[in-house]
Amino acid sequence: QVQLVQSGAEVKKPGASVKVSCKAFGYTFTNYYMNWVRQAPGQGLEWMGTVNPSDGSTSYTQKFQGRVTMTRDTSASTVYMELSGLRSEDTAVYYCARDRITGNAGVCFDPWGQGTLVTVSS
Amino acid sequence: SYELTQPPSVSVSPGQTARITCSGDALPKQYAYWYQQKAGQAPVLVIYKDSERPSGVPERFSGSSSGTTVTLTISGVQAEDEADYYCQSAGSSATVFGGGTKLTVL
Repeated sequence: QVQLVQSGAEVKKPGASVKVSCKAFGYTFTNYYMNWVRQAPGQGLEWMGTVNPSDGSTSYTQKFQGRVTMTRDTSASTVYMELSGLRSEDTAVYYCARDRITGNAGVCFDPWGQGTLVTVSS
Repeated sequence: SYELTQPPSVSVSPGQTARITCSGDALPKQYAYWYQQKAGQAPVLVIYKDSERPSGVPERFSGSSSGTTVTLTISGVQAEDEADYYCQSAGSSATVFGGGTKLTVL
C-alpha cells in the first residue's frame, strides 16, 4: 500500500540546518507532488511548500522563501526538506504528505508520513 | 492573507451529531478538505472536495458547503472520533489550514 516513511528525530542548535527525508513506497514516485507541513507543539498545521518529484520544481510559501529547500532523489523514491537558519520557533513536527491526485500541487494531502520532530535548542 | 476560521472546540455525547464549521471568503470558489488528527498521530484525510469521502472512512463522516462556510458532520459520534479536526483549502498562491477544532466526546 502507499506509505511514506520519514527519518528520525533531530536536535539542532540555533543557526544550524536540518535535512529531513521522506521515502515513498507503493506507487509511482514521479507521478505525485510531495508537500511538507509542519506543526509546532500544541499548534495547528502549516503548509511549507511542495516539490514535483518528476522534474524537481518547487513552490514555497513566502514565509519560508530563502530558508527552505525541497529536493528529490528519484532513484531512491525519496524527497528531502532542508531548513536553514534554525531558531527556537522552528521546533515542530515536520510531515511529508503526498498530493492525492496526480498532477495536483498542494491541493489535498493523502497519505501523510509519520512525522519527524525537530527540536531547536541551545 | 487568506484565512480559514474554525471554532476551537466542540463537545458532544456519544451517539449525538457533531458539526464542525470552517469559514473563509474563498470557499465559494475553492474546495475544502478535512483532516482528522488523533493525539500523537499524523493527520488523516476524511473528506475531500467539500463532501467526498475517501474509501475506508466511516459513513458517519460527511461534508457540506454553503456560501463561505463548509461543515464537517459526524453522525452517531463514537469515542474513537475524539480528535483534532482541520479544514484546508488551496488557492492560486498557497494552501491554508484552519486553526483546528478539538472534538471532545463526553
